Amino acid sequence: AQTVTQSQPEMSVQEAETVTLSCTYDTSESDYYLFWYKQPPSRQMILVIRQEAYKQQNATENRFSVNFQKAAKSFSLKISDSQLGDAAMYFCASRRISGNTGKLIFGQGTTLQVKP
Amino acid sequence: DVKVTQSSRYLVKRTGEKVFLECVQDMDHENMFWYRQDPGLGLRLIYFSYDVKMKEKGDIPEGYSVSREKKERFSLILESASTNQTSMYLCASSPGDRVGEGYTFGSGTRLTVV
Repeated sequence: AQTVTQSQPEMSVQEAETVTLSCTYDTSESDYYLFWYKQPPSRQMILVIRQEAYKQQNATENRFSVNFQKAAKSFSLKISDSQLGDAAMYFCASRRISGNTGKLIFGQGTTLQVKP
Repeated sequence: DVKVTQSSRYLVKRTGEKVFLECVQDMDHENMFWYRQDPGLGLRLIYFSYDVKMKEKGDIPEGYSVSREKKERFSLILESASTNQTSMYLCASSPGDRVGEGYTFGSGTRLTVV
């Protein structure tokens, strides 16, 4: 069974600084996707970034990047130049590739506070 | 530009009532999902469906059932609501063949059972 663990319930960062959110996972699958989702106070879950496990290169989307360590089963999210609009709950998730009904398995979430 | 619509944003029901949470998507996605979100527990899968009239239990199906009579609509049913079903409910959909796209979520229904 797949599991995803986010060990930081809350994090805070100063505006314009960099913050890293941690995520570890466990899976027996050989190939899978990893995701970070953002849930602002509006509650609308937004996909921030994704990584396919077989790709060595870390994914990057503007100010968001990941540090994917496959052997360690670690998938952290780095937010650079933090903005007030980054304040939200962030969820890490994994999904196996085999089969078209692969479910997203979510971590517990990390609430990020951005201080002006 | 709304793609996954949940019928209610807030809902208050009484213990023992039968509750219907509706979800509609307009992206022709094969897969649809119902999660509940609770503080400290993240999102937990209740039920999912990969085709019309098909359903599979997720991790916490007890006390819930679902219905998918049309591709675009996936309903979550609380047969007899209880206070421990007070939670945020999120519906999501995904294409059947593009796993890497992840899910598209609705805005959630915050259900309170009194």
